[in-house]
Amino acid sequence: GAVVSQHPSRVICKSGTSVKIECRSLDFQATTMFWYRQFPKQSLMLMATSNEGSKATYEQGVEKDKFLINHASLTLSTLTVTSAHPEDSSFYICSARVGTRVDQPQHFGDGTRLSIL
Amino acid sequence: GENVEQHPSTLSVQEGDSAVIKCTYSDSASNYFPWYKQELGKRPQLIIDIRSNVGEKKDQRIAVTLNKTAKHFSLHITETQPEDSAVYFCAASILTEGGGFKTIFGAGTRLFVKA
Repeated sequence: GAVVSQHPSRVICKSGTSVKIECRSLDFQATTMFWYRQFPKQSLMLMATSNEGSKATYEQGVEKDKFLINHASLTLSTLTVTSAHPEDSSFYICSARVGTRVDQPQHFGDGTRLSIL
Repeated sequence: GENVEQHPSTLSVQEGDSAVIKCTYSDSASNYFPWYKQELGKRPQLIIDIRSNVGEKKDQRIAVTLNKTAKHFSLHITETQPEDSAVYFCAASILTEGGGFKTIFGAGTRLFVKA
């Protein structure tokens, strides 16, 4: 159980394109999902917390107009990288938590490797 | 602000030896500490976790210890095998002002197990 599906796994597109990444909890409901960015050989940097039915909470330094997050249902959160540029190229990975308790583990998707040309 | 420090950044051991990874956290309100293993190009996988009311937890060859007073927690892998080679991340969950929580990750430890 507790499977998180992320799509697409890889995107290559031109500068200026907007890219949407989907994160789905397949066998559980997730009121909260998390979006991370990971640079090569580096840690997972939390970008934002996606809350079902309300606005996302962004970490300091993350542009909310650049990285649009929508959590329209209990099983789906989307991250849209608007007007992407080469510096947005990275590995983006989502996670979801089962239940609402703080001491529950997060389950990660497979990640999306975004390359902006 | 919240911070999780992890050491060492790279660890190389001989097959069969033990490996220890140490982390410290800054927020005394943290009460949940998961450990994740990430193989190259793959998703992080939870391998073990510990809650603040427990000092030690073991699962076969993996154990985690927590010292809340010192704000330290450690991962111990015994009888290491080549398939243990991966990047390991410690993390700490903290409550946010809005009543939710977020997880802060350490920088990661790249473990190499030599056959």
